[in-house]
Amino acid sequence: DTAVSQTPKYLVTQMGNDKSIKCEQNLGHDTMYWYKQDSKKFLKIMFSYNNKELIINETVPNRFSPKSPDKAHLNLHINSLELGDSAVYFCASSQDSGENQPQHFGDGTRLSIL
Amino acid sequence: GQNIDQPTEMTATEGAIVQINCTYQTSGFNGLFWYQQHAGEAPTFLSYNVLDGLEEKGRFSSFLSRSKGYSYLLLKELQMKDSASYLCAALDSNYQLIWGAGTKLIIKP
Repeated sequence: DTAVSQTPKYLVTQMGNDKSIKCEQNLGHDTMYWYKQDSKKFLKIMFSYNNKELIINETVPNRFSPKSPDKAHLNLHINSLELGDSAVYFCASSQDSGENQPQHFGDGTRLSIL
Repeated sequence: GQNIDQPTEMTATEGAIVQINCTYQTSGFNGLFWYQQHAGEAPTFLSYNVLDGLEEKGRFSSFLSRSKGYSYLLLKELQMKDSASYLCAALDSNYQLIWGAGTKLIIKP
């Protein structure tokens, strides 16, 4: 009965590779997010989708491309991985983007670039 | 610019009370959230305040002063399991969450 699930939990890969992280929520929420949390523990919003439509696209390299096949899924594809991409990536969802609804987070994907 | 300030780290004793402060500067304001994040885990929702005053939820309470751009999270009867980071996040006029860096709370026996 996991609410927000993301896979894989750990990802170790070489610089220059392309990788994807998947996220699914079964809460019936309309909005999904991708965050990056670096070693200093700042949660930085990367993208937000509402009903499959992109609504937030912060300044991230265009090597990062989100894809939302339906409102329950938001995947993150990363091309040409760099050392600075090492971080924990969290997927989250909320009922609606325009209201004060709390966000529910997945367990995170720990990405390590060698 | 938009900014959230909270202490980096705090230490408290089991059974005691601790107050974690947060000040915010945002373009518009639609409320403030507190989240708890245990090491290696996901943030989990604790509280939401949009009106001035204190909201109590068991051992945890959250306070907001909109005029001062200030909030605090109050934890009573501290338990070892309360050792975690506490993240303050303000909702701006576009309903975008602006996150603080979190306060790492260390509980000692």
